[in-house]
Amino acid sequence: AQTVTQSQPEMSVQEAETVTLSCTYDTSESDYYLFWYKQPPSRQMILVIRQEAYKQQNATENRFSVNFQKAAKSFSLKISDSQLGDDAMYFCAYRRGETSGSRLTFGEGTQLTVNP
Amino acid sequence: DAGITQSPRHKVTETGTPVTLRCHQTENHRYMYWYRQDPGHGLRLIHYSYGVKDTDKGEVSDGYSVSRSKTEDFLLTLESATSSQTSVYFCAISGGTGGAYEQYFGPGTRLTVT
Repeated sequence: AQTVTQSQPEMSVQEAETVTLSCTYDTSESDYYLFWYKQPPSRQMILVIRQEAYKQQNATENRFSVNFQKAAKSFSLKISDSQLGDDAMYFCAYRRGETSGSRLTFGEGTQLTVNP
Repeated sequence: DAGITQSPRHKVTETGTPVTLRCHQTENHRYMYWYRQDPGHGLRLIHYSYGVKDTDKGEVSDGYSVSRSKTEDFLLTLESATSSQTSVYFCAISGGTGGAYEQYFGPGTRLTVT
C-alpha cells in the first residue's frame, strides 16, 4: 500500500520570505501523480500544484514550485514571497496513474503560519 | 470552482441515529468520493463511486454505506452513528476531460455525534 508522510506538523515563515514543506511517499508503482492541496481556515480543499511522475521537470504555478526527487521518493513544496493568504494547512497527496478514478492517499498535513 | 455542494454543512446527532450526507455535482464527472478528515490523519477514503450504481469501499468503510442513483448525487449513510464518526466529511469528484484527473472537493460537512 502506498503511504505519504509529512514530517513537519507545523512550520512558520515571515511574510515575503520563502518556505519549503517536505513530503515523502512510498510506492512500488512507476506511474503516479503527486499533488499539494491547501486548506485555509474556511476548510475548503484547494489544489495548489500537481506533478506527473513521468515528467522530470519540476512543476511550477506562480509562487509555488515543487522539488520532485523520484529516486528518493521526495516531493517538497516551495512557496516564494509568502503572503498572509498562504496561511493554511497543506496536504501532500499521491494517486496511482493507471485509471482516472484512482483514490488519493494523503499525508497528515503541515500547518503553515505566515507572520506579518 | 467545481460545482460541488454538500448538505447539510453542519449536523449534530445522537448516538444510534441514522444520518445521511448528500453530495451534489453539476460537472457530470464520472467519479465521486467520500473522505473523512480527522486530526493527525489527513483525509481518508471511506467509499467511492465509478459510475451510477457502481461503488466500492475505501480504507475506513466500516459503519458507512453509500448510494449513487444519479450521476450528480452521491449519498453517504451512517446507519447507526457512533461518537467515533464525529468528523469532517468531504465529497470529491474527478473524471473530467484532460489533465491528470485531479480531484475537486466540496466545502465539507462537520458532523458531531453526541
